[in-house]
Amino acid sequence: DAKTTQPTSMDCAEGRAANLPCNHSTISGNEYVYWYRQIHSQGPQYIIHGLKNNETNEMASLIITEDRKSSTLILPHATLRDTAVYYCIVRVEYDKIIFGKGTRLHILP
Amino acid sequence: NAGVMQNPRHLVRRRGQEARLRCSPMKGHSHVYWYRQLPEEGLKFMVYLQKENIIDESGMPKERFSAEFPKEGPSILRIQQVVRGDSAAYFCASSGTNEKLFFGSGTQLSVL
Repeated sequence: DAKTTQPTSMDCAEGRAANLPCNHSTISGNEYVYWYRQIHSQGPQYIIHGLKNNETNEMASLIITEDRKSSTLILPHATLRDTAVYYCIVRVEYDKIIFGKGTRLHILP
Repeated sequence: NAGVMQNPRHLVRRRGQEARLRCSPMKGHSHVYWYRQLPEEGLKFMVYLQKENIIDESGMPKERFSAEFPKEGPSILRIQQVVRGDSAAYFCASSGTNEKLFFGSGTQLSVL
């Protein structure tokens, strides 16, 4: 079973920042927080991951709370192409990824 | 660098036939994962393999399904005697350092 809780769906206006929350209250000290997305029926795409510190790359930013029990994925300037299902995952190294139901993000023109 | 390559992209089989799905991991990757996605459902883990070894097959159906990742060549997911309920998208992923998994475009299996 997935160890994360995410809203079922969210809307965001094009050009605005999309903030996707995730709860992972039972996360262990050696588990990373990963974010993937799946656009329509394509293969999942890696976005970002982190352990304790906030992370930023060319796609997004990841904010992890100090107690590590929740995190937020931020897409700074959402476009229509960011419409997808976003998955928040906790995972130790050398292990499989277990996908939950994710958040269906709709970017509105 | 070529990504994870899956073929065929689409596969049509009649009930009772065998389906073979292939996955070539990214160059240098020795870990392969298979996932299944039924229509309008989430991604379900099936099996995790390293070269010549099955590490975790906890998501594999007990019968008709098998997977291998030989020393040379692609990983193969084999489904014997397919039934209509096997119709799904099958995704393969690979990793090297076990941080990021990179996914292929999937094989869409349709059973008639």
